[in-house]
Amino acid sequence: EVQLLEFGGGLIQTGGSLRLSCAASGFTFSSYAMSWVRQAPGKGLEWVSGISDIGSAYYRDSVKGRFTISRDNSKNTLYLQMNSLRAEDTAVYYCAKEVAAIGVPIFDYWGQGTLVTVSS
Amino acid sequence: DIVMTQSPDSLAVSLGERATINCKSSQSVLSSSSSKSHVAWYQQKLGQPPKLLIYWASTRESGVPDRFSGSESGTDFTLTISSLQAEDVAVYYCQQYYSSSTFGQGTKVEIK
Repeated sequence: EVQLLEFGGGLIQTGGSLRLSCAASGFTFSSYAMSWVRQAPGKGLEWVSGISDIGSAYYRDSVKGRFTISRDNSKNTLYLQMNSLRAEDTAVYYCAKEVAAIGVPIFDYWGQGTLVTVSS
Repeated sequence: DIVMTQSPDSLAVSLGERATINCKSSQSVLSSSSSKSHVAWYQQKLGQPPKLLIYWASTRESGVPDRFSGSESGTDFTLTISSLQAEDVAVYYCQQYYSSSTFGQGTKVEIK
């Protein structure tokens, strides 16, 4: 059974940093691209960042230069380092598995999400 | 960025009746190489993460009931629930993955 477990969320001040982690199990982690998708309270879904099986990274414009996605295939873990956090980054952050190694961001499995609250 | 615009924002349908959700992309999301449209549909129930229903505009994900179907016409995409069940109450999102990834704003489906 595929499982994705996110942790690392919390309350952080504007301008602060936070690192999210996503522990994956139940599939060959190193063979699939992964993404982070966020959802602000009461709002819709927004893709944040993705990473291919071998580490090619992609970001939405609003987080470029502030967020860094990475993965450790030996630990089956996905990361999102978030710096210079803003109020508009407040959201539930979901870890999502893609259906291929690269280039096809269809998300067939999702974690339960971790809440990041950025407040002054 | 490709904008995905869903309509309506919400709809109420009687049990057993058909529910139709529309999604329009701001530009073509059809791959000339594969002849497939890069559109997926997700269902999100209250307090839960999204669940993949449909991809490539009309391919049903494994385990998804066949009352869910997807169709397309140019840049217009439709998710149809042929006979609404109580467990289908949720917010539904379309997504394009032709150029990066963007989602529609969501459509809330309720029981009338």
